[in-house]
Amino acid sequence: AQKITQTQPGMFVQEKEAVTLDCTYDTSDQSYGLFWYKQPSSGEMIFLIYQGSYDEQNATEGRYSLNFQKARKSANLVISASQLGDSAMYFCAMNWDKIIFGKGTRLHILP
Amino acid sequence: NAGVTQTPKFQVLKTGQSMTLQCAQDMNHEYMSWYRQDPGMGLRLIHYSVGAGITDQGEVPNGYNVSRSTTEDFPLRLLSAAPSQTSVYFCASSYWRGGGEQFFGPGTRLTVL
Repeated sequence: AQKITQTQPGMFVQEKEAVTLDCTYDTSDQSYGLFWYKQPSSGEMIFLIYQGSYDEQNATEGRYSLNFQKARKSANLVISASQLGDSAMYFCAMNWDKIIFGKGTRLHILP
Repeated sequence: NAGVTQTPKFQVLKTGQSMTLQCAQDMNHEYMSWYRQDPGMGLRLIHYSVGAGITDQGEVPNGYNVSRSTTEDFPLRLLSAAPSQTSVYFCASSYWRGGGEQFFGPGTRLTVL
């Protein structure tokens, strides 16, 4: 069965440092997509970035990039130059016939 | 565009009561889904739909029913509420399940006593 794993329940990072949030997935499908969402304490779900399994280049959106390693089945989110406003819950998600989420990583940015 | 709307925002039920959580989107999205969010569990898929008249079960479908009579609406029904269904419920939609952003509603916080 398809599965998304986020192994870091919580992380503390100093402001302005780069952050890598881990995500691994398990699927036998060849065509799928990978997403990252941010959930601040206010509760809304904010879309950050998307990577298709056939995309040859890693996706980037501003300070966010997705380090996609297909052979390792990993899709880590990299946040460059972290800011205090990056403190939030981060979810990795995957779609094939349906869209499922990992359990999330709570990121704390320290001033 | 209103995007994805959910009602109500908050609800308290007694065990055994039934209710419907409403979800609507005005973006003509084919794919819609319901998730529940519990502490430490992430978002778990309850049911999803790939178009009007088509629904399927997700990871945790027991105790919930859905229907999709129109493209716009995707209500979630709790037939006989249980305390284990206390959670935050999110509805989401996207153009199709194969890619691109999934748009989320603001969520419904449900407490079952």
